[in-house]
Amino acid sequence: GAVVSQHPSWVICKSGTSVKIECRSLDFQATTMFWYRQFPKQSLMLMATSNEGSKATYEQGVEKDKFLINHASLTLSTLTVTSAHPEDSSFYICSARDLTVSTGELFFGEGSRLTVL
Amino acid sequence: KNQVEQSPQSLIILEGKNCTLQCNYTVSPFSNLRWYKQDTGRGPVSLTIMTFSENTKSNGRYTATLDADTKQSSLHITASQLSDSASYICVVSAQAGTALIFGKGTTLSVSS
Repeated sequence: GAVVSQHPSWVICKSGTSVKIECRSLDFQATTMFWYRQFPKQSLMLMATSNEGSKATYEQGVEKDKFLINHASLTLSTLTVTSAHPEDSSFYICSARDLTVSTGELFFGEGSRLTVL
Repeated sequence: KNQVEQSPQSLIILEGKNCTLQCNYTVSPFSNLRWYKQDTGRGPVSLTIMTFSENTKSNGRYTATLDADTKQSSLHITASQLSDSASYICVVSAQAGTALIFGKGTTLSVSS
């Protein structure tokens, strides 16, 4: 089945640095990918919709200059957390839709845990 | 307003027992409904996808039902195992599959 890969799975960084997380669709092309944030024991929160070749669509309350999204190809989207602070520490998950399947099957990555010191 | 409500918020059951999780939605026009299982610290994994015409779908010990008239779905877990401890998320797709509405999930804990 289709697989979505995220990298890195765990990253620790110092406050003020920027961190890039990659999301790849391994055996299908994804014109649209989604980025989520999840705090401990809470539900997934959609941050933004990443559109190949165009600007991402951000959910209300998500700072687009803080969370830079680039969807340069049909198989890769990146999320860059700029000038990270401890409150940005969270579990970040991406998903991608395989539109070759009639139901538009949605596959999730394994997630990337960010810890900002 | 498109919404997906899940209940209960959390549930604790003994190993071997059955349980049923609920998902009510007000999404329109409806395209399909998905149930996902998310283990702690992992990404969600698909359990079932149901379209408007499907009333029930099984995946091993997991059986999902859909009543499109009442806009309700349930996920029934039979003979629960410790590995079933996870969050279960209901996701409803609207507008021919272009918009996804997430429920907040039900956290299931199976104890021995």
